[in-house]
Amino acid sequence: GAGVSQSPSNKVTEKGKDVELRCDPISGHTALYWYRQSLGQGLEFLIYFQGNSAPDKSGLPSDRFSAERTGGSVSTLTIQRTQQEDSAVYLCASSLAGVAGDTDTQYFGPGTRLTVL
Amino acid sequence: SQQGEEDPQALSIQEGENATMNCSYKTSINNLQWYRQNSGRGLVHLILIRSNEREKHSGRLRVTLDTSKKSSSLLITASRAADTASYFCATDALRGAQKLVFGQGTRLTINP
Repeated sequence: GAGVSQSPSNKVTEKGKDVELRCDPISGHTALYWYRQSLGQGLEFLIYFQGNSAPDKSGLPSDRFSAERTGGSVSTLTIQRTQQEDSAVYLCASSLAGVAGDTDTQYFGPGTRLTVL
Repeated sequence: SQQGEEDPQALSIQEGENATMNCSYKTSINNLQWYRQNSGRGLVHLILIRSNEREKHSGRLRVTLDTSKKSSSLLITASRAADTASYFCATDALRGAQKLVFGQGTRLTINP
């Protein structure tokens, strides 16, 4: 596709369950980012991938959160034992470069709205 | 702490008027970007201005950057109802970090 895609668009889960969120970046983009946006707030950085490696995981809020990227393309964000405070829109972005010293334009997907009951 | 802070938090104007939103940040940056968000979902990239640039134009958008004051402004001229959205500034740190740090956003409402 032409843009970043994410699935599912909406996810409702019960507290304590695990969830997986998927991101398909723009073809050829080497850098991939996950952000989280709580209701009425700005975006909060979670993790950044350059290729398949994650040089910056500083935004992951707890060890219940993990992410991987395979083949330099698709990424999955996993939240284990979900809590109600995990409810938010999870946004993925990709960019061409991400080379240290400069940041390219990041293109965002439509997000996954996660609701933990 | 949050890098960027937008001002005002909410702005309501009449269609056809100009809208100005401001952003302040705290540390040295490589560049600053403005994004628009409709209905709390995906962000649309509007414009990127680099730290060595002072002003940039794109259609009805005009962005300024003052690195001495660590501030930026986004001007939308001749506003339209379709401009109603939340607008965010985002910065990247000067060294190493690739992440964008977003402000809380300005909620812009254009009244017909």
